[in-house]
Amino acid sequence: DADVTQTPRNRITKTGKRIMLECSQTKGHDRMYWYRQDPGLGLRLIYYSFDVKDINKGEISDGYSVSRQAQAKFSLSLESAIPNQTALYFCATSGAVGADTQYFGPGTRLTVL
Amino acid sequence: QKEVEQDPGPLSVPEGAIVSLNCTYSNSAFQYFMWYRQYSRKGPELLMYTYSSGNKEDGRFTAQVDKSSKYISLFIRDSQPSDSATYLCAMTLGASSGSARQLTFGSGTQLTVLP
Repeated sequence: DADVTQTPRNRITKTGKRIMLECSQTKGHDRMYWYRQDPGLGLRLIYYSFDVKDINKGEISDGYSVSRQAQAKFSLSLESAIPNQTALYFCATSGAVGADTQYFGPGTRLTVL
Repeated sequence: QKEVEQDPGPLSVPEGAIVSLNCTYSNSAFQYFMWYRQYSRKGPELLMYTYSSGNKEDGRFTAQVDKSSKYISLFIRDSQPSDSATYLCAMTLGASSGSARQLTFGSGTQLTVLP
C-alpha cells in the first residue's frame, strides 16, 4: 500500500465551486506539505504543517486554505476555484529529522473550467 | 529572476550515453542540495542528497555541487530507458534558518533515453 495517498486523483470542476483535496499518510511523519506543479514553474509550496497545531503559509497560499485533522491527514481547500488554479497538486510528508527528504503522494490533477 | 534555474529540456539521448543535468541558483545561503526524479503521472522521489560542495556517487548517479559558482549537476552514466523521467533539483537553507528547511525546486528537466 502507498505510504502517501491523495484523493481524488483527478477532478474537473467549474469556476466558483468549493473543492477539497485530501491527503493521508502512514509514514508516521509529523510534517506535511501541499505543493502545486505547473509546466515551466516546477513545484511551489502552498502550505505546510509541522504538527496538528502548526499551520504555515508557503509561497503561494492566496486562494487556498488547509486543515490538519490529525497527524496523518492534511486537506487542501479551494474556497472558490478559478481557472488559474488548474494544476497538478502534490501532498508530501517528512520527518523532523532528515526533513529535506520529502515523500510525495501520486498527485491530484485538478481542472477548473 | 527565479531563485533556481533549470533547463526544462526536453533532452533525448541514446541508451548508454552519459547524461548531464544542471541547475544554477542565486541564493548563496543554500547548503543542502537534492535531486528528485519524477516518472510520468507519479510524485517526485528523492534520488540524491548532498550537503555543501563536493561530489556524491550512488551507482550510476553522481551529484556534484559547486557553491562558488552556485551550480549543481547530476550525472547519469550508462543511461537506461528506465531513467526516462523528469529530474528536479531542489535546495534548502541551513539548519539554523527560520524558514525551517523549505525546499526550493527547479522547474525540472524532462529526459528520454532511447533504446
